[in-house]
Amino acid sequence: NAGVTQTPKFRILKIGQSMTLQCTQDMNHNYMYWYRQDPGMGLKLIYYSVGAGITDKGEVPNGYNVSRSTTEDFPLRLELAAPSQTSVYFCASSSGSHYGYTFGSGTRLTVV
Amino acid sequence: KQEVTQIPAALSVPEGENLVLNCSFTDSAIYNLQWFRQDPGKGLTSLLLIQSSQREQTSGRLNASLDKSSGRSTLYIAASQPGDSATYLCAVNGEDDKIIFGKGTRLHILP
Repeated sequence: NAGVTQTPKFRILKIGQSMTLQCTQDMNHNYMYWYRQDPGMGLKLIYYSVGAGITDKGEVPNGYNVSRSTTEDFPLRLELAAPSQTSVYFCASSSGSHYGYTFGSGTRLTVV
Repeated sequence: KQEVTQIPAALSVPEGENLVLNCSFTDSAIYNLQWFRQDPGKGLTSLLLIQSSQREQTSGRLNASLDKSSGRSTLYIAASQPGDSATYLCAVNGEDDKIIFGKGTRLHILP
């Protein structure tokens, strides 16, 4: 089972560039989440989705956008990369509110 | 707004000791609470999931308890081993469908 797959694993961006972090799950989970993790700061929720066509803001949504056109995919878009967006990004999915969550292996992004 | 706090931030104990990690949350309107382990530079591994209606869950040397009304959870690790060294994170799944994490406890088991 692939579970939650994130690509790329590593990326270096220049200030002002844009990119999309990909997240795909093959477990038919309705709920999907994007987090960022900064050193010593735990994980902060960026955006989440409870089903295809539905997205909502988390704790730190500024500078990011998401879409959920299918159940499987939940891409995270950075339009104008800033050094403050240097972080490790994790995608997660769940069957629903009463279930546990499965995480991808993360994308390490550096903005220079 | 849900806030999750983990105490202590870091902990070093000799091998073989039993230890307790603490997690507290401000909003008791939750579906469940989950404990994760994270090794340096790696992703998150799920350890235990406790539903809001449950009081505790056990897996091997790990036992997690939940007191929803007081907003507290503990992770008990028995007979600690050097391989238990990692960062332990608790995450609260609120009734608003947001999953909020604590900052974690960095655990170091001394051989």
